[in-house]
Amino acid sequence: NAGVTQTPKFQVLKTGQSMTLQCAQDMNHNSMYWYRQDPGMGLRLIYYSASEGTTDKGEVPNGYNVSRLNKREFSLRLESAAPSQTSVYFCAYGRSSGANVLTFGAGSRLTVL
Amino acid sequence: KQEVTQIPAALSVPEGENLVLNCSFTDSAIYNLQWFRQDPGKGLTSLLLIQSSQREQTSGRLNASLDKSSGRSTLYIAASQPGDSATYLCPLGARFGAGTRLTVKP
Repeated sequence: NAGVTQTPKFQVLKTGQSMTLQCAQDMNHNSMYWYRQDPGMGLRLIYYSASEGTTDKGEVPNGYNVSRLNKREFSLRLESAAPSQTSVYFCAYGRSSGANVLTFGAGSRLTVL
Repeated sequence: KQEVTQIPAALSVPEGENLVLNCSFTDSAIYNLQWFRQDPGKGLTSLLLIQSSQREQTSGRLNASLDKSSGRSTLYIAASQPGDSATYLCPLGARFGAGTRLTVKP
């Protein structure tokens, strides 16, 4: 998954704890995305950022906040983790030129107890 | 709201078969169209990209076509192998459907 680095790869939290998932791209593209994938299900868009300084809600934004710190970095924060947020989280960037061509990170597996 | 429907949801075939996976969209304003595969417990790997000016793209045993007028794309896999077993995804923009889970039996 060259071009997108996600940290951490694994994390276990207790209910109510907070944490931030980090995502960084090395390709200087405008668009970045956060998805979650629950077992046996497809990817659902949490938040996206069309450019530095802008963020927008996706399909399932409740319980999450994001920050587009600069063009390279897009972080996802869980302020008060809940068991329902146990999932695998994927970050992606999109190449411009008409519509996005997506490149994904390797994923971050989060378990909330 | 853009919707992506992938048919079939799951497919199990013996090794060597040719097969077709289907993807349809409610929004026909399609630009680029990517096909991904996802192995269990892994990330997404881009397989093919059909750019806005193209109707199809080929890579090895894979051929993907796009019909913008009908809002459909198909992924053709020739001479399937057990290593092709994975979930195949075709997002519309940034929105994904549930995918097609393919199992190729030796």
